[in-house]
Amino acid sequence: QQPVQSPQAVILREGEDAVINCSSSKALYSVHWYRQKHGEAPVFLMILLKGGEQKGHEKISASFNEKKQQSSLYLTASQLSYSGTYFCGTESLGAGGTSYGKLTFGQGTILTVHP
Amino acid sequence: NAGVTQTPKFQVLKTGQSMTLQCAQDMNHNSMYWYRQDPGMGLRLIYYSASEGTTDKGEVPNGYNVSRLNKREFSLRLESAAPSQTSVYFCASSPGWGRGKSNYGYTFGSGTRLTVV
Repeated sequence: QQPVQSPQAVILREGEDAVINCSSSKALYSVHWYRQKHGEAPVFLMILLKGGEQKGHEKISASFNEKKQQSSLYLTASQLSYSGTYFCGTESLGAGGTSYGKLTFGQGTILTVHP
Repeated sequence: NAGVTQTPKFQVLKTGQSMTLQCAQDMNHNSMYWYRQDPGMGLRLIYYSASEGTTDKGEVPNGYNVSRLNKREFSLRLESAAPSQTSVYFCASSPGWGRGKSNYGYTFGSGTRLTVV
């Protein structure tokens, strides 16, 4: 099952903050976050491996609550360059205890930042 | 430039025609993946190759076949194209899975926009 992202879309002005959530019905081993500009390939932002882990990348950070099977992406002081579609990709271990690195992606959250 | 190269970038097929999408990476990655992207659906896994010499089905494998030709190359074949296969296809690679390798994300190719009429 696909993880569910919320909201589906968000519109911001430069300097405002946003939170994008990703929720899975399956136990998670890791969560990836990607950003895709229109007509381009998705670009890797960060990966979270441990429950409760929080990582940062400039003004973009994320958290991972393993027990709740949820992750959130935080964008602070947004810039025009942050516009795009954000995807979470979740990795779950299979019956044999491996995932082979397969990711299941959410449907995406469209972020638009205006001047 | 190091990365993932996909060819062709655009293709129009007639229903029933066949074609092969090519993908090559020069990062010495072990694992490679094929995804399709449709509006509002996100990315869905078609097939993957966890390591050279292995391939396995993903979420939506029907109508497709793959070949892991060597460590660098992973091709996707449509034997008899259908309009439902109109989509954008992305190839991706990663160092692999397991201890020490799971800290890295995917590197995606630029995609192939396929239209089946």
